[in-house]
Amino acid sequence: GQNIDQPTEMTATEGAIVQINCTYQTSGFNGLFWYQQHAGEAPTFLSYNVLDGLEEKGRFSSFLSRSKGYSYLLLKELQMKDSASYLCAVKLEDSSYKLIFGSGTRLLVRP
Amino acid sequence: DSGVTQTPKHLITATGQRVTLRCSPRSGDLSVYWYQQSLDQGLQFLIQYYNGEERAKGNILERFSAQQFPDLHSELNLSSLELGDSALYFCASSVGSGNQPQHFGDGTRLSIL
Repeated sequence: GQNIDQPTEMTATEGAIVQINCTYQTSGFNGLFWYQQHAGEAPTFLSYNVLDGLEEKGRFSSFLSRSKGYSYLLLKELQMKDSASYLCAVKLEDSSYKLIFGSGTRLLVRP
Repeated sequence: DSGVTQTPKHLITATGQRVTLRCSPRSGDLSVYWYQQSLDQGLQFLIQYYNGEERAKGNILERFSAQQFPDLHSELNLSSLELGDSALYFCASSVGSGNQPQHFGDGTRLSIL
């Protein structure tokens, strides 16, 4: 089966840095995506990793270790608008491009 | 704006009924994916179409079916509706190549009374 684990909730302070972890055990791996989803809205794409290492995109960075089945999303200089759910999703190594999503981490940014 | 259009935005109906959700992918995208998101649940993959053909199936109930038309828009048909089918249904599209992200529509909120 496919298993993707993320913490359910996290709280951080405006201006701080927060790291959201994701571990996965899947039958095959062909890339990992991070999405942001505000309540009741569509998920929006944040980052993609397929090779080990860090990808940086402005205030957001994502890291992948394939050997450990582990990724994290790092959010710097937190803003109130960053309060949202963050979804980790794995693309399996098959002929489709479907994504298997974790349950998401709900991040609350406090003033 | 992701470029993916879903209609309707909201749908309220009764148990036992049948509904059709519609999705128009981004221009140039050949793949369409359907996901279900129940309250406080993650996104559950239902089905994928690529250029008119079914490519992958997830945990889609037999009461649900989908298709992708020659103009690449897709429809998700839900029948014999049950209270537990109340959820947000998202459509996403992508070019189809491996490292291109899926772009999501705003979803259809289905409420079964």
